[in-house]
Amino acid sequence: DGGITQSPKYLFRKEGQNVTLSCEQNLNHDAMYWYRQDPGQGLRLIYYSQIVNDFQKGDIAEGYSVSREKKESFPLTVTSAQKNPTAFYLCASSIGQTGQETQYFGPGTRLLVL
Amino acid sequence: GQNIDQPTEMTATEGAIVQINCTYQTSGFNGLFWYQQHAGEAPTFLSYNVLDGLEEKGRFSSFLSRSKGYSYLLLKELQMKDSASYLCAVGGGSYIPTFGRGTSLIVHP
Repeated sequence: DGGITQSPKYLFRKEGQNVTLSCEQNLNHDAMYWYRQDPGQGLRLIYYSQIVNDFQKGDIAEGYSVSREKKESFPLTVTSAQKNPTAFYLCASSIGQTGQETQYFGPGTRLLVL
Repeated sequence: GQNIDQPTEMTATEGAIVQINCTYQTSGFNGLFWYQQHAGEAPTFLSYNVLDGLEEKGRFSSFLSRSKGYSYLLLKELQMKDSASYLCAVGGGSYIPTFGRGTSLIVHP
């Protein structure tokens, strides 16, 4: 079964701590994305990657970092510089990136600050 | 820039028909998507329109008018399980779809 997995489902962050959210896909998709979703808000783009070893900042990249060392994996690190990290984080992938491809989403990680 | 507008919340009765509107202003256009998202879950793809007109898929239909910057999602024979958020996303000049804030649909008996 092909799909996208995210782990963990819930994650707790202490003050000053960096945390990493995992995203893995076995759909053989080239493009991957990270979104943040807050109550009453749409999905806001954090980072995206069109190909291995390349990624670009989205609309709200400050306080976040990513890597794309393998096609299947696109982990997101929430750094201590992100002052308001509590949100629902969604990873997605698509075959390509022309704006016409369907995005497939993982189940999400809910990040909470202690 | 991109601006996508959809109603925040709608309510409807089981068995009825509901239309969720989406208006957009974008620089460039590569198509419009509708996704369904149940609370606490991942969005799932419903429809994609790139040409004007109506696309029908079972109980769900989606309409697009590019000249008016307007789309709607039509849900027929509403069921309780249709209670969810419906996200409109527009593929603009940046090649990455921009999402609206979503419309929360509440279906009551």
